[in-house]
Amino acid sequence: EPEVTQTPSHQVTQMGQEVILRCVPISNHLYFYWYRQILGQKVEFLVSFYNNEISEKSEIFDDQFSVERPDGSNFTLKIRSTKLEDSAMYFCASGSGPLRHEQYFGPGTRLTVT
Amino acid sequence: AQSVTQLGSHVSVSEGALVLLRCNYSSSVPPYLFWYVQYPNQGLQLLLKYTSAATLVKGINGFEAEFKKSETSFHLTKPSAHMSDAAEYFCAVTQTTSGTYKYIFGTGTRLKVLA
Repeated sequence: EPEVTQTPSHQVTQMGQEVILRCVPISNHLYFYWYRQILGQKVEFLVSFYNNEISEKSEIFDDQFSVERPDGSNFTLKIRSTKLEDSAMYFCASGSGPLRHEQYFGPGTRLTVT
Repeated sequence: AQSVTQLGSHVSVSEGALVLLRCNYSSSVPPYLFWYVQYPNQGLQLLLKYTSAATLVKGINGFEAEFKKSETSFHLTKPSAHMSDAAEYFCAVTQTTSGTYKYIFGTGTRLKVLA
């Protein structure tokens, strides 16, 4: 069964460093998302991406964040200069389109900023 | 704006007992609703979804949920809890803008199953 994969599973970085979180969505999906979950809190939407551009972003997704689909398979989230409060689990999700509604989530990348 | 409320951040049931996890939503338009399960150190797995078809939705692992418009609810149930059901459960509603559907999640309910 196709699945969304994410690498790395755990990333530790120092404050101020850049990190890139990688995702491989399900191959025939066209809609891509990033969510984050701070420890003990709910899952929050960050950004949606379709047709090689951002469709919507939350207020969390400020200028420090960017997304890219550099090739036909990867979908990346870059945090330019990490802050302590960026420590969270980051989930990538993909969907085949609005008519199907459901999104398929990857296992997540746990980002720890020290 | 749409929102989701999950009553009870922690629920404990005995093995074999009924599981009832509550979810209420707020939406000005017909919603699409989902339940996801998260096992420790794992991602989110879709349990079931409501997309305006049958109001009683059956999902995986014996779970089901009933959409009640009059109560703005989408509670998750399972007749008999199993130890393997211990996990965190999230209710989510879709909100569409710009042609894509982002999820709005509830705060989650951690289910504990007692032997």
